[in-house]
Amino acid sequence: QSVLTQPPSASGTPGQRVTISCSGSSSNIGSNTLNWYQQLPGTAPKLLIYSNHQRPSGVPDRFSGSKSGTSASLAISGLQAEDEAHYYCAAWDDSLNGPLFGGGTKLTVL
Amino acid sequence: QLQLQESGPGLVKSSETLSLTCTVSGDSMNSTYYYWGWIRQPPGKGLEWIGSISYSGSTHCNPSLKSRVTIAVDTSKSHFSLKLTSVTATDTALYYCVRHLRGTCYIDSWGQGTLITVPS
Repeated sequence: QSVLTQPPSASGTPGQRVTISCSGSSSNIGSNTLNWYQQLPGTAPKLLIYSNHQRPSGVPDRFSGSKSGTSASLAISGLQAEDEAHYYCAAWDDSLNGPLFGGGTKLTVL
Repeated sequence: QLQLQESGPGLVKSSETLSLTCTVSGDSMNSTYYYWGWIRQPPGKGLEWIGSISYSGSTHCNPSLKSRVTIAVDTSKSHFSLKLTSVTATDTALYYCVRHLRGTCYIDSWGQGTLITVPS
């Protein structure tokens, strides 16, 4: 599998709750933890969620993650304009013996 | 605080070799817990892992690029490097150096990225 599968786009209005899905296989999501990265325009990605649902220090609790089997999802509640960004899921892939990324989801705040 | 800074030529001619260096500051490279890696992002596209190296020189590379990639580390100079041979226009991308926990995609530090263009 060359990439994890994410929807190319998602959108919501301020205050809404949005979810982004990520689908993989037994060699990545099914057997390893899942991380999410946020990439604001013109910047490097930043770790948003690790170990499926943990938030690094400084990440608002509006962001939450979950994983079940070979799929995962990122939920953003109380959507804000500053959340407009690309979001990437990532998992270690045992076949690749390295990190495997999703294709990315562009979140638009309407 | 750990900082990573990529340096490279900006423009590389087709069929030539791309060489990048990542300078590490703010922390020692000598840890068994971390690997030092390269990730690239073609314009308007997603992220692709290129390869990673431990402080002791153990490397892992993406099989799709393995035949063209060499990654090296020099902890005495606090840097690690990437060489990618026989480049084509498809290698045009923003190249990031990163630090990640060994055996995971927990990437806790990224460089700002350096754009490498290979004219077609």
